[in-house]
Amino acid sequence: SYELTQPPSVSVSPGQTATITCSGHRLGDKSACWYQQRPGQSPVLVIYQDSQRPSGIPERFSGSNSGNTATLTISGTQAMDAADYYCQAWVSSSYVFGPGTKVTVL
Amino acid sequence: EVQLVDSGGGLVKPGGSLTLSCAASGFNFSSDTMNWVRQAPGKGLEWVSSISSSSRYIYYADSMRGRFTISRDNAKKSLFLQMNSLRVEDTAVYYCARGWDFYYMDVWGNGTTVTVSS
Repeated sequence: SYELTQPPSVSVSPGQTATITCSGHRLGDKSACWYQQRPGQSPVLVIYQDSQRPSGIPERFSGSNSGNTATLTISGTQAMDAADYYCQAWVSSSYVFGPGTKVTVL
Repeated sequence: EVQLVDSGGGLVKPGGSLTLSCAASGFNFSSDTMNWVRQAPGKGLEWVSSISSSSRYIYYADSMRGRFTISRDNAKKSLFLQMNSLRVEDTAVYYCARGWDFYYMDVWGNGTTVTVSS
C-alpha cells in the first residue's frame, strides 16, 4: 500500500520559516494537500492541489509538490502556527495521510 | 455558515455496533462527496470511508471494509457510518468531512468519540 512519510517534529523560532516535507513514491504526479490540527480541535485545510490556499488561510502558508516530495512552508511563523500538520493524497481509490509533523514555535 | 455536526459516539463493548451521524448545513449537501476520518487517542488521522454525492461510488479503508457501512440521506442532509463488530482498536474520535471530489477535504465536523471497551 502507498505510504507518505513526514518528519515527526519541526522546531522554529517566531518570525522564521518552517519547512515540512512529505515524501511518497512519485507524489509529484498526484495532488497533495495539507491540514493543520491544533490540540483539541478538528483539522483545517491549509493547502490544496499542491499549492492553493483556501479562503481565510494566511499568505504565510505555501506549498509545492515535485518528484517524490511535497513541501509545506510557513514563512514568518507565528506562535499560533504551533500545531500538528498532516499531508494527504488520493491514491488508488483511497485517501492516504502522512503520520503528521508536530511544529513547535520556540 | 458551512457546518458539519457529528454525533452518535459513545461507549460500546467489543463486538458491538454503533451508528454515527453527521448533520450538514450551509451548503448544497447533495452535490458533495463526503468522508469519515478517525483519530485514535494520541495518534494521527486515518481515513475510514468516502461516498460520492449520489452514493454511486463508495470506498473503504481495508481495515474497515466489511465491518463499516457508509451511507447518506441527501434529503435530510445527513451522512451516516454504521459500525459493526467493533474492536478495541476502533476507539477514536470520528470526524465527518466534506470532500472536493476525491482530492481533499475542505470542511470538517466537530468529531464524535467512540470508545470500545469491556
